[in-house]
Amino acid sequence: AQSVTQPDIHITVSEGASLELRCNYSYGATPYLFWYVQSPGQGLQLLLKYFSGDTLVQGIKGFEAEFKRSQSSFNLRKPSVHWSDAAEYFCAVDAGYSTLTFGKGTMLLVSP
Amino acid sequence: DAGITQSPRYKITETGRQVTLMCHQTWSHSYMFWYRQDLGHGLRLIYYSAAADITDKGEVPDGYVVSRSKTENFPLTLESATRSQTSVYFCASSDTGMNTEAFFGQGTRLTVV
Repeated sequence: AQSVTQPDIHITVSEGASLELRCNYSYGATPYLFWYVQSPGQGLQLLLKYFSGDTLVQGIKGFEAEFKRSQSSFNLRKPSVHWSDAAEYFCAVDAGYSTLTFGKGTMLLVSP
Repeated sequence: DAGITQSPRYKITETGRQVTLMCHQTWSHSYMFWYRQDLGHGLRLIYYSAAADITDKGEVPDGYVVSRSKTENFPLTLESATRSQTSVYFCASSDTGMNTEAFFGQGTRLTVV
């Protein structure tokens, strides 16, 4: 069965510093991968998605992610974090019929 | 308003009561989903629907019932609420075909006392 692992429950980054959130997946076929962001009390917003093609995908708000099949990873990156990026981030894989299997999330804290 | 809306946003109910959470989308998306979000578990799929009158179980369906008589609505019913069903519930929808994404509602925070 498919699964998604986000090894870091919390990450604290200084404002202006770079960010990398880790995501590892387990899926038999070519995965469709997603990163969502959730601000407090809000629903989930899609940051970016990977279906095929270029393994480096660009998303909204300056985020990017790189699909690495050999490492079963889909890490999210941002070169310079802003205080408004503080939120919870979820990696997900399409598990068939457009359903999603989510990781447990990584809470990003941004320090001044 | 266009989009996906859930109601109510907050609900407190007693153990054993039946409660229904509503979900409405205006895009005519074929797929609709219910997830629950719990600390330490992320989001887990409860039920999903590929079209009107077609529903299927997800990872955690026990204690829940769904129906989809109209494409735009996908209510979730807790037949006899239990404290373990205290959670934040998210409805989502997506279109058919390749390269589609799911759009999420704002969530319903349900507390069972």
